[in-house]
Amino acid sequence: QVQLQQSGPGLVKPSQTLSLTCGISGDSVSSNSAAWNWIRQSPSTGLEWLGRTYYRSKWYNDYALSVKSRITINPDTAKNQFSLLLNSVTPEDTAVYYCARDEMGIDFWGQGTLVTVSS
Amino acid sequence: QSALTQPASVSGSPGQSITISCTGTSSDVGGYNSVSWYQQHPGKVPKVIIYGVSERPSGVSNRFSGSKSGSSASLTISGLQPEDEADYYCCSYTDRGTWLFGGGTKLTVL
Repeated sequence: QVQLQQSGPGLVKPSQTLSLTCGISGDSVSSNSAAWNWIRQSPSTGLEWLGRTYYRSKWYNDYALSVKSRITINPDTAKNQFSLLLNSVTPEDTAVYYCARDEMGIDFWGQGTLVTVSS
Repeated sequence: QSALTQPASVSGSPGQSITISCTGTSSDVGGYNSVSWYQQHPGKVPKVIIYGVSERPSGVSNRFSGSKSGSSASLTISGLQPEDEADYYCCSYTDRGTWLFGGGTKLTVL
């Protein structure tokens, strides 16, 4: 059974960088069939896909246009995890952030991390 | 890229069937057979109930079914049960290589 365990701070100051990590068990970040995503949810915007990383003989990243200039998703094969960096955050980035696997739909999700952007 | 269009709310009585629509464009729903549906109860993590337009993951009730016609997809829930009351989201692959969610539909079981 795949399990995703998120870690990272729940409070970030405006203009700083949001950083979250997602540890994977039961699968590999280097899987040739899965992709590893970050998704967020706020009451005002619903579910918003942010981006993903995946391995298909080499590493690829896809990012949502809305955050493309501010986001980086990195795999860490040594620790079997992947991370989210979102820089220059504003209060509009306040949301519950989820890591998730997509293979047969987005089929496994992390527990969610409420990140509040506030000074 | 704008969210896929879903009705804000639908309702039905126990035992009835309801359908939730999800409208996109030829760049997403209409261009790929990669539409999925998610059920989310309050305070819980979303759960995939349909992927690949009409495939059901193991363990998901056969009361849930999905279909697609042109740039619109649909989720049908038959034999409504009280525990089906939840928020439902559609999601599609897009020609930018991204995933795009719908705005969500609140299902009320009367």
